[in-house]
Amino acid sequence: GQQLNQSPQSMFIQEGEDVSMNCTSSSIFNTWLWYKQEPGEGPVLLIALYKAGELTSNGRLTAQFGITRKDSFLNISASIPSDVGIYFCAGQGYSGGSNYKLTFGKGTLLTVNP
Amino acid sequence: GAGVSQSPSNKVTEKGKDVELRCDPISGHTALYWYRQRLGQGLEFLIYFQGNSAPDKSGLPSDRFSAERTGESVSTLTIQRTQQEDSAVYLCASSLGTEETQYFGPGTRLLVL
Repeated sequence: GQQLNQSPQSMFIQEGEDVSMNCTSSSIFNTWLWYKQEPGEGPVLLIALYKAGELTSNGRLTAQFGITRKDSFLNISASIPSDVGIYFCAGQGYSGGSNYKLTFGKGTLLTVNP
Repeated sequence: GAGVSQSPSNKVTEKGKDVELRCDPISGHTALYWYRQRLGQGLEFLIYFQGNSAPDKSGLPSDRFSAERTGESVSTLTIQRTQQEDSAVYLCASSLGTEETQYFGPGTRLLVL
């Protein structure tokens, strides 16, 4: 089946630092998504990317859809304690597959030290 | 409420027992999805509903797993003869249409002893 490689697995940073995480895939996806999950909650969509090369921002978050459509990165600038959580990348609509099924990476656990 | 809701929030059961997990999607959302999240892992797709039909059951791990949806609304995921490896968080999501943004519920944390 499809697999996404997400890195790093975890990050421990100081408040105010910038963060970068990325995902790569063996398959081409039509859409890349970034979700955040907090303890006891379901994932919440942060950013959706629909076109190769697209760079999208949402506040302090910036994400890009790779040109090859096989990768994406998420940057968080000036981190704050409430950024703590698990960040997941997800691909949707891969070549030869369904347009609805999300394929998730294993997540990046972010800890921010105040 | 405005979001996807799931019940129970936590379930502890004994090996061999059956469990039912419930999902109430956002009103008006025609598509509904079930995912499983094992500890430290990403989400695995289980099944997808369009209306009350399930055109894709490919992610169900075994024939002990089944799901239904009625009234184009509530869905129930049933696990029969639970095994310890079934312990996970079961997440439900819904979307307005098939390719629209999926909104997730808080999940049901299942522990099989």
